Amino acid sequence: GENVEQHPSTLSVQEGDSAVIKCTYSDSASNYFPWYKQELGKRPQLIIDIRSNVGEKKDQRIAVTLNKTAKHFSLHITETQPEDSAVYFCAASRWSSNTGKLIFGQGTTLQVKP
Amino acid sequence: DTAVSQTPKYLVTQMGNDKSIKCEQNLGHDTMYWYKQDSKKFLKIMFSYNNKELIINETVPNRFSPKSPDKAHLNLHINSLELGDSAVYFCASSRGGSTYNEQFFGPGTRLTVL
Repeated sequence: GENVEQHPSTLSVQEGDSAVIKCTYSDSASNYFPWYKQELGKRPQLIIDIRSNVGEKKDQRIAVTLNKTAKHFSLHITETQPEDSAVYFCAASRWSSNTGKLIFGQGTTLQVKP
Repeated sequence: DTAVSQTPKYLVTQMGNDKSIKCEQNLGHDTMYWYKQDSKKFLKIMFSYNNKELIINETVPNRFSPKSPDKAHLNLHINSLELGDSAVYFCASSRGGSTYNEQFFGPGTRLTVL
């Protein structure tokens, strides 16, 4: 069945360092890969996404890369700040029939130490 | 203005009871979703509706019944509540169409079954 594996489950970095979170998906028909950030007690919020026809996308300190052959995508956060501390979820989706269920990874708890 | 809202925010109830969670979006979206987030933070799709029509129905017990009176509302009714139903339930919405669109999440409803 559809599955998304996410690693690591926890990640602790010093402020200013980079953080990398990796995901692997199983459904080769997946065509959309969003990343969500969820702060404690809050809703998941989209921080960046990438479609299957793009290999890399960057938005300020955040970048995502996609390797369709390997069915692998990664989130890169540079110059981390304490406010980056949260749970990060990757997801994969195959859009069809006006809808696209998100298959989420297990989440990565990122702690940025000041 | 709140884009996706849910009521109630917290719900504490006894096993065997029936309860409902309401969701409303004012974004003009065609598609709405219910997700369940368990105690390990794992997010899983339950249902998806497009223009009041059920599109996605994951392997959810039939004690869970979604209802969409119009495309701005998607409610979740749960019969005969069980301990394992305790979780945070998130509603989400997105535009429909032929390509993927961002899903916006509501604030969540924390359900505790005693």
